[in-house]
Amino acid sequence: QKEVEQNSGPLSVPEGAIASLNCTYSDRVSQSFFWYRQYSGKSPELIMSIYSNGDKEDGRFTAQLNKASQYVSLLIRDSQPSDSATYLCAVNGDTGGFKTIFGAGTRLFVKA
Amino acid sequence: GAGVSQTPSNKVTEKGKYVELRCDPISGHTALYWYRQSLGQGPEFLIYFQGTGAADDSGLPNDRFFAVRPEGSVSTLKIQRTERGDSAVYLCASSPRDGANVLTFGAGSRLTVL
Repeated sequence: QKEVEQNSGPLSVPEGAIASLNCTYSDRVSQSFFWYRQYSGKSPELIMSIYSNGDKEDGRFTAQLNKASQYVSLLIRDSQPSDSATYLCAVNGDTGGFKTIFGAGTRLFVKA
Repeated sequence: GAGVSQTPSNKVTEKGKYVELRCDPISGHTALYWYRQSLGQGPEFLIYFQGTGAADDSGLPNDRFFAVRPEGSVSTLKIQRTERGDSAVYLCASSPRDGANVLTFGAGSRLTVL
């Protein structure tokens, strides 16, 4: 079992719709969870971080964390063509440490 | 510096040669990470440093790979006897030593082994 699993997609949504991206992780002691966005040919950049159960909202983005289910999600409201990218879920894999493990990423296409 | 700097941006080498990739992290960031990313895949963890020491090198694929950070700032990833399967983008990231542990990535070094 991979440490961080994501559906590779591609996920295609129309402009203005909600895009829902999901991620599961295997290490129950993980403490910190991140969503990074990576445009083609570029490096990953942070969109959201979440550390406790529940929802965290930042503009059009909402991260959701459920530690009991070992599940993290990212919702993008009012999707724009500029949101088309690969979204990487990342998890700190050890308690008190800083080893960050990435999933394979989900490719998102937003159609104008 | 203002961001994470990686050199070279592009390296083409022949099978069996030795390669060094350099990373200059954001000033003051004590944590430094190396990842490898192949096309269509997520970043694969290789090693991370806290200060000068390797805190976790469990991702290094074999003993041909080695990384150093002698003064706790610049790091060099060294690959001996390169193989075609080593071809990938090698990403460096740094992070301040705080609970948030947000990574800031460099632009990457694209390695092609012919």
